[in-house]
Amino acid sequence: LAKTTQPISMDSYEGQEVNITCSHNNIATNDYITWYQQFPSQGPRFIIQGYKTKVTNEVASLFIPADRKSSTLSLPRVSLSDTAVYYCLVGRRNSGNTPLVFGKGTRLSVIA
Amino acid sequence: KAGVTQTPRYLIKTRGQQVTLSCSPISGHRSVSWYQQTPGQGLQFLFEYFSETQRNKGNFPGRFSGRQFSNSRSEMNVSTLELGDSALYLCASSLITSVGQETQYFGPGTRLLVL
Repeated sequence: LAKTTQPISMDSYEGQEVNITCSHNNIATNDYITWYQQFPSQGPRFIIQGYKTKVTNEVASLFIPADRKSSTLSLPRVSLSDTAVYYCLVGRRNSGNTPLVFGKGTRLSVIA
Repeated sequence: KAGVTQTPRYLIKTRGQQVTLSCSPISGHRSVSWYQQTPGQGLQFLFEYFSETQRNKGNFPGRFSGRQFSNSRSEMNVSTLELGDSALYLCASSLITSVGQETQYFGPGTRLLVL
């Protein structure tokens, strides 16, 4: 399983764009990159998933360079409610193999 | 579609007791995973069930067990509770595509306090 490295914490002011980068140097050819968001005392929530280049949905964008050794989650114009822990997971689920591992994540604090 | 539901939401037990937690996955999802989350250890994988069979197991003692029923609902049981078992227990149902692309949908969790 590809090991991921994320910053432990980040601070941002409301209205700013936040970019959280995840390093995954040993990503395998067929691995997907998935980001989850977790608020205190709640289960993680799927945000976005991608394989290469750029993926955008109503919540965030995911940028993946050509070498795929890193990825960046971009949150446009954050608000206080975006304060949460963000997890980057890398892997591909084949039948029977071990589920992807959640690391420590990045704790984002949005300040008014 | 209804999301993942977990019952009960909160539970207080004393050391030595046992507890059973329940999880109903999203309709159509056959994979159900359980996680334990504590402030110190983060999210730790307990086990995964698929079509009533345990497919993967994390590094937890045998006091932690689970099962899955034919309707994909799952239960986990913790026997001989210890103070360190106090945690948020999360259940997730997964949608896994034929090419291994997985999306997990988590329930709200059960907060267990062991006194």
